[in-house]
Amino acid sequence: DIQMTQSPSSLPASLGDRVTITCRASQDIGNYLRWFQQKPGKSPRLMIYGATNLAAGVPSRFSGSRSGSDYSLTINSLESEDMAIYYCLQHNEYPLTFGSGTKLEIK
Amino acid sequence: VQLVESGGGLVQPGKSLKLSCSASGFTFSSYGMHWIRQAPGKGLDWVAYISSSSGTVYADAVKGRFTISRDNAKNTLYLQLNSLKSEDTAIYYCARGWFAYWGQGTLVTVSS
Repeated sequence: DIQMTQSPSSLPASLGDRVTITCRASQDIGNYLRWFQQKPGKSPRLMIYGATNLAAGVPSRFSGSRSGSDYSLTINSLESEDMAIYYCLQHNEYPLTFGSGTKLEIK
Repeated sequence: VQLVESGGGLVQPGKSLKLSCSASGFTFSSYGMHWIRQAPGKGLDWVAYISSSSGTVYADAVKGRFTISRDNAKNTLYLQLNSLKSEDTAIYYCARGWFAYWGQGTLVTVSS
């Protein structure tokens, strides 16, 4: 199975900060990587698909990038509504695997 | 697009439960569908997938115990949960093929 190692697990940040969350894939997954945002009591929301593409309705301060087997989600100019847990998902092969999550919280 | 799960509840270990996901707002028969679960306070865990042609794939943790199926005439996705264990306690979400749409989830609690 492909392991997705996500870091950090917790990320205290201030409003207006630029933050980056990373997932490292244990095997090649190409660009079959998605990022989700989940707020308490809510279903996950797709933020990024194909590693770098912004999903519909997602603010442009969110972006995704790839460097080899490392995939990153960056949020520029953090806003209060961005406080949530973020997960990556590889869908290159079954079983699909999620990262363990990063809780973004106000410092 | 709307996905609405139902069928969750409290069930004893070793018993069975059948979850449903009612779909609307799109051509259900044209899309593969997933079940994903989330244990209380934990992360997301992919469970199973069914293609538009009803091919299926399962996570190892549920293989042989859970069965994913679909009824295109009823626009409904199902997950049959058998031989339930305490570690199956979770919110179960259905999601459309590429995860752009998710239901609100249904809670399954396995406890004696």
